[in-house]
Amino acid sequence: TQLLEQSPQFLSIQEGENLTVYCNSSSVFSSLQWYRQEPGEGPVLLVTVVTGGEVKKLKRLTFQFGDARKDSSLHITAAQPGDTGLYLCAGTNAGNMLTFGGGTRLMVKP
Amino acid sequence: KAGVTQTPRYLIKTRGQQVTLSCSPISGHRSVSWYQQTPGQGLQFLFEYFSETQRNKGNFPGRFSGRQFSNSRSEMNVSTLELGDSALYLCASSPELNTEAFFGQGTRLTVV
Repeated sequence: TQLLEQSPQFLSIQEGENLTVYCNSSSVFSSLQWYRQEPGEGPVLLVTVVTGGEVKKLKRLTFQFGDARKDSSLHITAAQPGDTGLYLCAGTNAGNMLTFGGGTRLMVKP
Repeated sequence: KAGVTQTPRYLIKTRGQQVTLSCSPISGHRSVSWYQQTPGQGLQFLFEYFSETQRNKGNFPGRFSGRQFSNSRSEMNVSTLELGDSALYLCASSPELNTEAFFGQGTRLTVV
């Protein structure tokens, strides 16, 4: 069974601060996705990373896929209250279902 | 292009009843997956369908079942509802098996 562990589980910060969320596994994934979910809604896909060492930027969000394709990180610069939500990472591997991490619940206070 | 549509959005049922939830995937997507999300357990995989066949199944009892139709639309059914089945049920569609998932808004099921 593939397991994705996210840390931290909870994060409460002030507007303007930077933060990093981690997603780790002992398994290799062919690709990894990051989602953001707001209360009462479904997760929304933010980005997909495929190549080991790949870095993708989405405005103030920077996503990195580890060289060995076993881990990933999400860095948010100058967080805003609108960034509040549940951040989920999910990995895919041939022959296996999409595996989700437990999520990081982020609260950004104004 | 329309997103994933789940109906109904909200549902209240009594213990012992059964319920059917519906999901229409993004046009052209052939894979549909179902997840149960609760505050305590997070996002738990139920099953995945592709070309009307169940391809993967999570660790849920037989009371949870599903199917996919030829137009890729999917339904999931829960029989003999228990209080613990109260959750947000999410459907996700993917272009192919085991690729990135696009989620619907979910159906919030409350069992009383």
